[in-house]
Amino acid sequence: EAGVAQSPRYKIIEKRQSVAFWCNPISGHATLYWYQQILGQGPKLLIQFQNNGVVDDSQLPKDRFSAERLKGVDSTLKIQPAKLEDSAVYLCASSSLRDTFSGNTIYFGEGSWLTVV
Amino acid sequence: DQQVKQNSPSLSVQEGRISILNCDYTNSMFDYFLWYKKYPAEGPTFLISISSIKDKNEDGRFTVFLNKSAKHLSLHIVPSQPGDSAVYFCAALRRGATNKLIFGTGTLLAVQP
Repeated sequence: EAGVAQSPRYKIIEKRQSVAFWCNPISGHATLYWYQQILGQGPKLLIQFQNNGVVDDSQLPKDRFSAERLKGVDSTLKIQPAKLEDSAVYLCASSSLRDTFSGNTIYFGEGSWLTVV
Repeated sequence: DQQVKQNSPSLSVQEGRISILNCDYTNSMFDYFLWYKKYPAEGPTFLISISSIKDKNEDGRFTVFLNKSAKHLSLHIVPSQPGDSAVYFCAALRRGATNKLIFGTGTLLAVQP
C-alpha cells in the first residue's frame, strides 16, 4: 500500500513570496490533515478535511494560509505571503473514516521542509 | 496553552537498558494517548497507544503506562536498542467531531551502543 505522498520535499523562498505544498493521501482515506512542525516543537494541526469539507481550521492563519481538497482526494496548502516564522516542516497525514476515532491509524507523509529567508 | 507536555527534551541511555519517556497532560477529557516515533527527514510513525480507561498497554519491547490521577503517562522501552534512537512524541486525542491529535514537544532519545 502506497503511503502519504508530499511534494516538494524542500523549499527555500524569500519572505513575502508564496509557496504551495501538495499532498496525496493513502487511497480511500477520507480524513486528511495538515500539520505544521516548527523546530523544537511538536506538530500543530493547521487544518483537517473530511472528504472535501473542512472539519477544523481553527489554528490556520487564514490571512496568509489557505488549503483546499478538491474532489476529496489530493490537497494543496498555500502560504502567501510567507513570513520568516513560517519556516517549518509541513506534514500531511491521512486516516480512514472508520479508524479515526482511536488515532492509531493516522499515517503521516515525510513532510515538506520550508525555509523562509 | 500547552495541553500535552514533554519536559525532557533529550534522554541518553545505554544499549540494553530501559528507556523511560514521560508525558504530562492537562485535559482530563482526552480519550486516547499515543506515542509516535520520528526519524530525521521522515514523518512520525505510530508506535503504541492507550485508551483512557486502561492503565497499561504492552507491545513487545514497548509499554505505555497511564496514571490518570496524576495526568501522566510514560513509555518504557526494554531493552533499548541503537535503532530506537529518534524523537518520540506523546500525543492525545479526544473523540468527537474532529478527533484532533494534540502533540507534545518531543523527546530526543539517544541509545548508546
